[in-house]
Amino acid sequence: SAVISQKPSRDICQRGTSLTIQCQVDSQVTMMFWYRQQPGQSLTLIATANQGSEATYESGFVIDKFPISRPNLTFSTLTVSNLSPEDSSIYLCSVLGYGNTEAFFGQGTRLTVV
Amino acid sequence: AQSVTQLDSQVPVFEEAPVELRCNYSSSVSVYLFWYVQYPNQGLQLLLKYLSGSTLVESINGFEAEFNKSQTSFHLRKPSVHISDTAEYFCAVSTHMEYGNKLVFGAGTILRVKS
Repeated sequence: SAVISQKPSRDICQRGTSLTIQCQVDSQVTMMFWYRQQPGQSLTLIATANQGSEATYESGFVIDKFPISRPNLTFSTLTVSNLSPEDSSIYLCSVLGYGNTEAFFGQGTRLTVV
Repeated sequence: AQSVTQLDSQVPVFEEAPVELRCNYSSSVSVYLFWYVQYPNQGLQLLLKYLSGSTLVESINGFEAEFNKSQTSFHLRKPSVHISDTAEYFCAVSTHMEYGNKLVFGAGTILRVKS
């Protein structure tokens, strides 16, 4: 299994500002995934982050709004930019386990935009 | 494209009663199937998974799920629930990809166990 530390666990931000979420994994992984869980809804994949290359964004998500860094094989950040109340969600980092068949998740970052 | 439908948004049940949480998926290729659980104020945890082989898979805490290819279903069952099973349960599907899997989640089912 993989242990994922995600920071911050929660934050309240003013609209128009940005929040950067950090994800640290206890082992080297090729792929890291960022998900959004809006209130009362399921998880939606935002992007896939490979070390050493640009992140791959899902339909409806763009780099300007959700820039991602992946400086090494154990760390990634997701920034949510130009915040609006609609960005209030839980953001989760995820990695794949042995055999690339099982996903492990961080505890999530609960963002509230006021 | 893949999709997952969880037919019940909430399932209330009394303690020690049986429960079934329904999940149907659509995919044109072979898939991996998962159930994840999210306890209140906690992160997602893998409950059980189907990759291949036996269509009936079990978790360590008494849940089981059966992969039914003809009905494209992966329903989750437990013969006797406990208060501690109260949580939100997510069904997820992924396809076999070269670099791993990309999960598509259902909308979730909130299981409320009452005493």
